[in-house]
Amino acid sequence: KAGVTQTPRYLIKTRGQQVTLSCSPISGHRSVSWYQQTPGQGLQFLFEYFSETQRNKGNFPGRFSGRQFSNSRSEMNVSTLELGDSALYLCASSLDRFTDTQYFGPGTRLTVL
Amino acid sequence: SQKIEQNSEALNIQEGKTATLTCNYTNYSPAYLQWYRQDPGRGPVFLLLIRENEKEKRKERLKVTFDTTLKQSLFHITASQPADSATYLCAHSDSNYQLIWGAGTKLIIKP
Repeated sequence: KAGVTQTPRYLIKTRGQQVTLSCSPISGHRSVSWYQQTPGQGLQFLFEYFSETQRNKGNFPGRFSGRQFSNSRSEMNVSTLELGDSALYLCASSLDRFTDTQYFGPGTRLTVL
Repeated sequence: SQKIEQNSEALNIQEGKTATLTCNYTNYSPAYLQWYRQDPGRGPVFLLLIRENEKEKRKERLKVTFDTTLKQSLFHITASQPADSATYLCAHSDSNYQLIWGAGTKLIIKP
């Protein structure tokens, strides 16, 4: 089976802009989660989607949003970018439960100038 | 709140020796713990899952133990190799069905 894919792999934006990141989960996986990782920081959970519904949410401002489509593909959007949003954004999929084994994509490296 | 603590200091080990990483959890007894490996700039990769009723789990040169009394899991790599150098993360589900992640321990295997 193909693994989790994320596009784009690298992105450079300026403050105030918005960005959309895409994630395609492993075929058959219905849960998709998003994480932010900055240098020296652990994985910071953003949100989890299951069957097109946000099922779990981390402690991030409303500028961070997401959605899931009927084919389980997911997108994450960040509006009004700030310098502190520069990070590696990781998408992970799991079969059903959020707490099942997570299969991560390669990540999208976002740089905000 | 429920937390996972991993040694934030990098662990330097001589090639061929056994590397042991620690994961301590508080305030909740998880049904299972997961261990992942992360290389720089890449997503974590699942390694092993150990359930609360399993004292030990092995996979090739990897061994994980789970001590519910000490609220601790140990991750061992035997006959370590430079290619084992990476950051290792542990995670468990909490009482609210959230996945709690440790910050990870950076392992450096020196030739």
